[in-house]
Amino acid sequence: AQSVTQPDIHITVSEGASLELRCNYSYGATPYLFWYVQSPGQGLQLLLKYFSGDTLVQGIKGFEAEFKRSQSSFNLRKPSVHWSDAAEYFCAVVGNTDKLIFGTGTRLQVFP
Amino acid sequence: DSGVTQTPKHLITATGQRVTLRCSPRSGDLSVYWYQQSLDQGLQFLIQYYNGEERAKGNILERFSAQQFPDLHSELNLSSLELGDSALYFCASSVGLETDTQYFGPGTRLTVL
Repeated sequence: AQSVTQPDIHITVSEGASLELRCNYSYGATPYLFWYVQSPGQGLQLLLKYFSGDTLVQGIKGFEAEFKRSQSSFNLRKPSVHWSDAAEYFCAVVGNTDKLIFGTGTRLQVFP
Repeated sequence: DSGVTQTPKHLITATGQRVTLRCSPRSGDLSVYWYQQSLDQGLQFLIQYYNGEERAKGNILERFSAQQFPDLHSELNLSSLELGDSALYFCASSVGLETDTQYFGPGTRLTVL
């Protein structure tokens, strides 16, 4: 069965520090992978997506993610975190019949 | 702003009642998806419609139903509400293919008292 694992429930970083959020997926075929961000009281905003091609994908707000098939991972990175990046981050994979299968999310807290 | 609209933003009701959540997809999108976000279950896919037809079903209770109208807006009907139905309900839309990005609305927060 398809699944997404985000091992870190909560991460705290200082403003200006680098960030890496982990995501592992389980899917038999070529995965279509996404990262979404949810700010408090808001909907989900797409940060970036991977379908094929270059395994390093660039997204909005300075985020990037790297697809590693050998590790079944799609980790999200940002070189320098801003206070406005505090939010919940969801990794997702498109499963059968187009539905998104989400991980449990990682809550990011940023200290000044 | 994703272009997907959902009404109402908040809904407070009592157990046993029935409510209807409404979603208008982005212009040109044919697929509408409904998701439920709760503290214990996380984000769960409920159901998908494509151009008026049901395309996929997820973890949707029998007390819940949905439809997509000819103008492509969709409604999610929740009946015989229970306390555990309290959650954030999201609608998303896409052009229709599995590779298409799903754009999410702001959600409807349902509170069942």
